[in-house]
Amino acid sequence: NAGVTQTPKFQVLKTGQSMTLQCAQDMNHNSMYWYRQDPGMGLRLIYYSASEGTTDKGEVPNGYNVSRLNKREFSLRLESAAPSQTSVYFCASSAEIAGGRRETQYFGPGTRLLVL
Amino acid sequence: QQPVQSPQAVILREGEDAVINCSSSKALYSVHWYRQKHGEAPVFLMILLKGGEQKGHEKISASFNEKKQQSSLYLTASQLSYSGTYFCGTKGFISGGYNKLIFGAGTRLAVHP
Repeated sequence: NAGVTQTPKFQVLKTGQSMTLQCAQDMNHNSMYWYRQDPGMGLRLIYYSASEGTTDKGEVPNGYNVSRLNKREFSLRLESAAPSQTSVYFCASSAEIAGGRRETQYFGPGTRLLVL
Repeated sequence: QQPVQSPQAVILREGEDAVINCSSSKALYSVHWYRQKHGEAPVFLMILLKGGEQKGHEKISASFNEKKQQSSLYLTASQLSYSGTYFCGTKGFISGGYNKLIFGAGTRLAVHP
């Protein structure tokens, strides 16, 4: 039982390059999330998926796209990377118990992205 | 609206106590606490629901004052393993359910021998 896994762990991109961050969970959770973490700003929600086949924008969606490939996998794509997207990216999943009030989120190990 | 955490940072000696606060300007239905060790992913600690319940996890407990829209995390007799950044996350009611978890900026806790 691996929980939430993310690939790659580290990535360096040049401005304008594109890449996809992969996330998978083996806990049969319905909801999946992508966050970015910047110093002093906590975790900010980029996109989320409440169930397979649905995705919605979070606080900071600009410059990103997502795909919920199936129940297990949720990918984040940067079409044209910018230095402002240098950050640590975390994927999370939750079972959304009791309408969401009690949800516990399980986080992956993170992807450290540097855009030059 | 991002909840406000205070203090931003705390330095303790082993065995000392600390309190971390989390407050919101909006009505809250639940407050969630997570801890993140350096270079690792955030890990869930506990949830507090509207109703003022207090929960505990090892020597870490928390309370939720719904009148003040504030939660406090209490770390007693701190251990070296408590070091890390503590985040609160909040959920308020929106049409059709609850908003997605909104995290505070975090409180860095360092425990020294």
